[in-house]
Parts: sequence; structure tokens; C-alpha cells
Amino acid sequence: EAQVTQNPRYLITVTGKKLTVTCSQNMNHEYMSWYRQDPGLGLRQIYYSMNVEVTDKGDVPEGYKVSRKEKRNFPLILESPSPNQTSLYFCASSLLGQGNTGELFFGEGSRLTVL
Amino acid sequence: AQSVTQLGSHVSVSEGALVLLRCNYSSSVPPYLFWYVQYPNQGLQLLLKYTTGATLVKGINGFEAEFKKSETSFHLTKPSAHMSDAAEYFCAVSRGGFSGGYNKLIFGAGTRLAVHP
Repeated sequence: EAQVTQNPRYLITVTGKKLTVTCSQNMNHEYMSWYRQDPGLGLRQIYYSMNVEVTDKGDVPEGYKVSRKEKRNFPLILESPSPNQTSLYFCASSLLGQGNTGELFFGEGSRLTVL
Repeated sequence: AQSVTQLGSHVSVSEGALVLLRCNYSSSVPPYLFWYVQYPNQGLQLLLKYTTGATLVKGINGFEAEFKKSETSFHLTKPSAHMSDAAEYFCAVSRGGFSGGYNKLIFGAGTRLAVHP
């Protein structure tokens, strides 16, 4: 089954304790992206990657890091989480190139609470 | 810069009534437009999309949307609401292009649809 898998789905942590949210897709997609969802703001892009070892900032990258060492994986790293990073996070992927219409395939989300 | 405005953060309809969720966008280039639905505790699922061609687009679960360039709108409709349609709906626009701009979706704030008996 084609899917984007995120882990953990739920996490409560404390300020300053480094954490990683993993994301893996099995569709051989080149493009992967992280979004955060906050009430009244919709989804905002954090980082994206167009292929292995190619990453770039989205609209709200402060406080986050990413890496793309393998095509299928795109982890989101919070080096020193703060309460304003409490949010619902989504990983998404898609194809690139001719014929691609930009449709994103989303994971089920990771709800993070930073105390 | 692109942006999306969804009018009404909450919409409530009776079962069997028309569903109309409004979306207006701004874009300096021909846009690609999307509607996604989010059911509780789930990720986003594509309902429908407009890229080129026919401006009336049909999606899953009986939803459709019409791209109106002159009004910069892409409103989502369904003739008869069902209880299972209760969810949050997001309109999104992308810029297009092969550089990755295709894939950066700009989302509206979302509209939560409630369906009551």
C-alpha cells in the first residue's frame, strides 16, 4: 500500500529535550516536505527536499532541522524544542518532473506537545 | 506571492442540504488549485484538483469545484450533505513549474464543516 508513515503519532516532551520525528514514504517520490498545522493558520511549510542531499527552507524553518540521506526518509529534528513548537506536524511527498501536478500525499500527522 | 482565503472557519448544514465552502486565491501565475479534506485524527486526503482544461472539476464523495479565473475563486460544493462529510476542508494553491514550485502548496486556514440531522 502506498503511504507516508510518520512516527511518533503523539509525543509530549519538555523544553530543550532534542527530538526527532521520522517520515518514510514507499512511493519513490523525489519531493518531500514538512508542514505544521495550527488552528486558524492552516498548514505552513517548514522545510522541503527535492531529492537526496537537497533540502531548503520553507516559510517557518526556525527551530527545525531536516536531513535527506535516503530517498525514502525525511526526518524532522527539533534540537531544542520550545512551547511555541507545540503543533500538529505533517510529512508529505510527491513526484517531480513532467506531468507532476503538485499533488501531495500526506502522512497521518504527529501531534507534539512541548511543556 | 500566492495566498488563499477561505471564507468562514465554521460552516454548519443540515443533512441533505447543499454544501458550499468558499475559497479565493491570489496568484501572479496560472494556479493549480486543490481541495483537501481532513477527518479527525487523520492526515489530509485529496478531494479534487484543478490544473488545466475543464474548469468544473469533480472529485471524490460527490464533491465538485469550479475554477473561476475572473473571480479568482475555487468554491467547493456538494448537492446533498451527508453526516460522513463532517470534517475540516482545506483549499490550497501551487505555483507550478518543475523546480519544486509545483509542489509547494499554500493552504488556506481551513473550514470546519458540521452536518446535523
